[in-house]
Amino acid sequence: QQQVKQSPQSLIVQKGGISIINCAYENTAFDYFPWYQQFPGKGPALLIAIRPDVSEKKEGRFTISFNKSAKQFSLHIMDSQPGDSATYFCAASDYNTDKLIFGTGTRLQVFP
Amino acid sequence: NAGVTQTPKFRVLKTGQSMTLLCAQDMNHEYMYWYRQDPGMGLRLIHYSVGEGTTAKGEVPDGYNVSRLKKQNFLLGLESAAPSQTSVYFCASSQGANYGYTFGSGTRLTVV
Repeated sequence: QQQVKQSPQSLIVQKGGISIINCAYENTAFDYFPWYQQFPGKGPALLIAIRPDVSEKKEGRFTISFNKSAKQFSLHIMDSQPGDSATYFCAASDYNTDKLIFGTGTRLQVFP
Repeated sequence: NAGVTQTPKFRVLKTGQSMTLLCAQDMNHEYMYWYRQDPGMGLRLIHYSVGEGTTAKGEVPDGYNVSRLKKQNFLLGLESAAPSQTSVYFCASSQGANYGYTFGSGTRLTVV
């Protein structure tokens, strides 16, 4: 029940295309859903996060879509660029837990 | 504002040797975490702390010990290094589990 399932494991997108990464969870108490971006040789960095009082949050080319009834959330990268090539992790937590539960990561490659 | 600083950045150990990885944060965060990252395995939580003087086990604690004597520092110790502990280690801090993590840049450890 504590798992966060992330798909796909890897994703190849052409420059200018839309990248979509999906995550699903079981614990209905989760109320914080962040996405992290990790470049090779670097630590993960918080990219964007959403709480379940909204169904969508947009920051520039990055959008989180949240479906509370389906217990799913996704990251959309519009107009994908080669500089977006990185590993992306979704995560979830609730205020009763001490830690984030991470997905297994998606390696995104954007080709020119 | 340095954020989360990990030392050392690289280390090679011989099997059976011991070492300590240091994590320091200057954001006055209560929560601190140690993760290991292996190819295809995502981020796995080793130990964490919810405040000065506290520690708790994560999902892969065996072979590691931790201490949080000062709020700003979280130490990860390997008592007798094994080749299976070859990995990249990341420290993170947060003001709470339901808030974003700030990660350090990682320590690449090789045990031969």
